[in-house]
Amino acid sequence: GAVVSQHPSRVICKSGTSVKIECRSLDFQATTMFWYRQFPKQSLMLMATSNEGSKATYEQGVEKDKFLINHASLTLSTLTVTSAHPEDSSFYICSARRLQGSDTQYFGPGTRLTVL
Amino acid sequence: EDQVTQSPEALRLQEGESSSLNCSYTVSGLRGLFWYRQDPGKGPEFLFTLYSAGEEKEKERLKATLTKKESFLHITAPKPEDSATYLCAVQEGGGADGLTFGKGTHLIIQP
Repeated sequence: GAVVSQHPSRVICKSGTSVKIECRSLDFQATTMFWYRQFPKQSLMLMATSNEGSKATYEQGVEKDKFLINHASLTLSTLTVTSAHPEDSSFYICSARRLQGSDTQYFGPGTRLTVL
Repeated sequence: EDQVTQSPEALRLQEGESSSLNCSYTVSGLRGLFWYRQDPGKGPEFLFTLYSAGEEKEKERLKATLTKKESFLHITAPKPEDSATYLCAVQEGGGADGLTFGKGTHLIIQP
């Protein structure tokens, strides 16, 4: 299999606080992990690409100082939303690609972030 | 700029009524085209990867095909449990690893 988990599944926080989301590949090693964001009735939009042991690559328009990404091991990447505001409320989904093999990305179950 | 257009946006079928979903794409050098299924409030579930025109993949009631400009997801004799949003995504050649997604087709299979 290719199982990816995320924690927490949902989080509610106050405006101005920071929130950390974990993404783990449970049964395979992933050199590369990706973070996407999905607004209601919209498709997934790539935020950043995370490579183990190196700095993340952010898509145009995504603030790297606001969305901190750490990929410390071959099975774990974290996304920290700093100083969250209501407009950051969204569904955040990570994906992972196997260390060896195809280009297929396997997605986690997503994290619903609500900023009050 | 990569573009992925899926049609129809929504489709309602009777159980057993076969149909096809379309994904049109424009990309400078296709590295791969992916189909995913997404249930409400969940992450996308991988279905197929297609790499070259003429390629076909099958899984149970689903069959995906690829041409140089579009991909089709054929659903044969669907069941209510096939109800979901089906997402198409492309990966561009040349080093970019991220996927560009279409907006999806929301499929409802009525018993």
